[in-house]
Amino acid sequence: QKEVEQNSGPLSVPEGAIASLNCTYSDRGSQSFFWYRQYSGKSPELIMFIYSNGDKEDGRFTAQLNKASQYVSLLIRDSQPSDSATYLCAVNTGGFKTIFGAGTRLFVKA
Amino acid sequence: EPEVTQTPSHQVTQMGQEVILRCVPISNHLYFYWYRQILGQKVEFLVSFYNNEISEKSEIFDDQFSVERPDGSNFTLKIRSTKLEDSAMYFCASNSGATEAFFGQGTRLTVV
Repeated sequence: QKEVEQNSGPLSVPEGAIASLNCTYSDRGSQSFFWYRQYSGKSPELIMFIYSNGDKEDGRFTAQLNKASQYVSLLIRDSQPSDSATYLCAVNTGGFKTIFGAGTRLFVKA
Repeated sequence: EPEVTQTPSHQVTQMGQEVILRCVPISNHLYFYWYRQILGQKVEFLVSFYNNEISEKSEIFDDQFSVERPDGSNFTLKIRSTKLEDSAMYFCASNSGATEAFFGQGTRLTVV
């Protein structure tokens, strides 16, 4: 059974701080990795995707991938109250199937 | 900006009835997906569809489920005989391949 694991949280950070969200996956052959944000009652919204080992930055967001450790992370710099949401790690295990983790709830305190 | 659209936004149905959930994927996308999310739980893959056939399906996608692309724009999920445990948000998504998928706003299905 291919799994994607995330700490459910909640993760609470003060406004302006760095939020660090982590994810591990079980299928070593996974190729593509995604971070989605989901507000309560809404659909997942893509934040970042990463395919290669290393870091990828987009504005306040940085995705980090370590395939040897089967680990993906998302850093949110200068966290804002509007960043408060559930962050979903998703992994494409090859072919046409993407598996989601259960998500980490993030609270940014003003 | 192109988006995936789903109708209806909320569907209430009696147990045992058939429902059809509808989706219009982004027009130049070739791969289509259905996911579901039971309240408070994770997003679960149901099925992927490419070139007018199912590419992959999960163990959740049993004989009561079917998908169809009846014309050049719509992509539907049919649940033949709904059960209480089918109550969930159903999300349609599309993409151009093994890339990021774009999600519709979802259909909340309530089986009573």
